[in-house]
Amino acid sequence: AQSVTQLDSQVPVFEEAPVELRCNYSSSVSVYLFWYVQYPNQGLQLLLKYLSGSTLVKGINGFEAEFNKSQTSFHLRKPSVHISDTAEYFCAVTSARAGGTSYGKLTFGQGTILTVHP
Amino acid sequence: DTEVTQTPKHLVMGMTNKKSLKCEQHMGHRAMYWYKQKAKKPPELMFVYSYEKLSINESVPSRFSPECPNSSLLNLHLHALQPEDSALYLCASSQGELAGVHEQFFGPGTRLTVL
Repeated sequence: AQSVTQLDSQVPVFEEAPVELRCNYSSSVSVYLFWYVQYPNQGLQLLLKYLSGSTLVKGINGFEAEFNKSQTSFHLRKPSVHISDTAEYFCAVTSARAGGTSYGKLTFGQGTILTVHP
Repeated sequence: DTEVTQTPKHLVMGMTNKKSLKCEQHMGHRAMYWYKQKAKKPPELMFVYSYEKLSINESVPSRFSPECPNSSLLNLHLHALQPEDSALYLCASSQGELAGVHEQFFGPGTRLTVL
């Protein structure tokens, strides 16, 4: 089984400032990692994913994340945020081991609400 | 077409009503999912269909009944719901286990209110 901890429930930041949303995970098997964004009253949109290869992953809207296996982290960053980035962000993990009971099941963190102030 | 569509957008129903939620995708995905999301919480998995067969039921009460008529369509039939079932119901799809890819594409959701 996997678990995900998003260390900050709310992150306020001023426009054009950098931001980091923190995510740690726990798993006994190798994993795939995702960040999703949810705007108010909408579904989830995939920002980026780590499956394998380079540990620095670039996504949409200028976001990037770094997979750190030793620290079991997958923090999301953006160098300069916009008002339009105000939303809730979810980190999610799934087992990379085929055939396991968790294969294909996403486990989400509790979410981080990012509020960008002018 | 890279969209998952859900109808209706909003649904209000009484505890004795029967209604259905519909989800559709035309990306050729072979896995489809139903999630329930309460306010300020992450989505909770309810059901997974893989290659049109129910593969996961996360101990969901029988008043929720999923159906997958074909690989593009997923329904959720609702009957005798309780007010605590009020939530955003999200549908998602992915390429499926055999493709070895797990990113899920989500629909916009149906906001359900049970009176």
